[in-house]
Amino acid sequence: DVKVTQSSRYLVKRTGEKVFLECVQDMDHENMFWYRQDPGLGLRLIYFSYDVKMKEKGDIPEGYSVSREKKERFSLILESASTNQTSMYLCASSLLSGGRDTDTQYFGPGTRLTVL
Amino acid sequence: AQSVAQPEDQVNVAEGNPLTVKCTYSVSGNPYLFWYVQYPNRGLQFLLKYITGDNLVKGSYGFEAEFNKSQTSFHLKKPSALVSDSALYFCAVRDKYGTDKLIFGTGTRLQVFP
Repeated sequence: DVKVTQSSRYLVKRTGEKVFLECVQDMDHENMFWYRQDPGLGLRLIYFSYDVKMKEKGDIPEGYSVSREKKERFSLILESASTNQTSMYLCASSLLSGGRDTDTQYFGPGTRLTVL
Repeated sequence: AQSVAQPEDQVNVAEGNPLTVKCTYSVSGNPYLFWYVQYPNRGLQFLLKYITGDNLVKGSYGFEAEFNKSQTSFHLKKPSALVSDSALYFCAVRDKYGTDKLIFGTGTRLQVFP
């Protein structure tokens, strides 16, 4: 079974703190994604990576950065957390399709982040 | 730009009745469409996808979806709902050719009553 794990299920941080969310997948997938999920807004893509050290901005990258030093690990960084970043954060991974198809994305369980 | 719309925030169905969760899409080119489900306190799970071929796609847990090009719809269906089907359902479309990014709808909460 594909497994995508996220470092924390619940996290509480203070405004201004630097926050790291970690995601690890064990299926040798090239693609990794970070989304945030908010009621009524669905899932919105924050950042996407299709290879080690490669990244691409999604729809809402402001206030976030990412790091991918190893193929299996994709980190989301909140440089200075703010209350409007309180949300559910979901990580996903998939195979690189090269345009011929679009592979299924496999999701982690999510991290519910609260910024006070 | 590619997009999907889920016009219903919530769908209520009695157990044993057929269910439909609606999704419409807007794309340039051929649509690659997906349905995912999220059970409480869980990540999203893949249900099914349409790439090409038969307009009726069968997926996990007895779900199926019908691709309708003329109506630009991809509705999720199940002949007989179970209480355990109660969850949040997301429709998604591939962003554009050559990318693996998906654009998700806002989600529809399905409530199946005993």
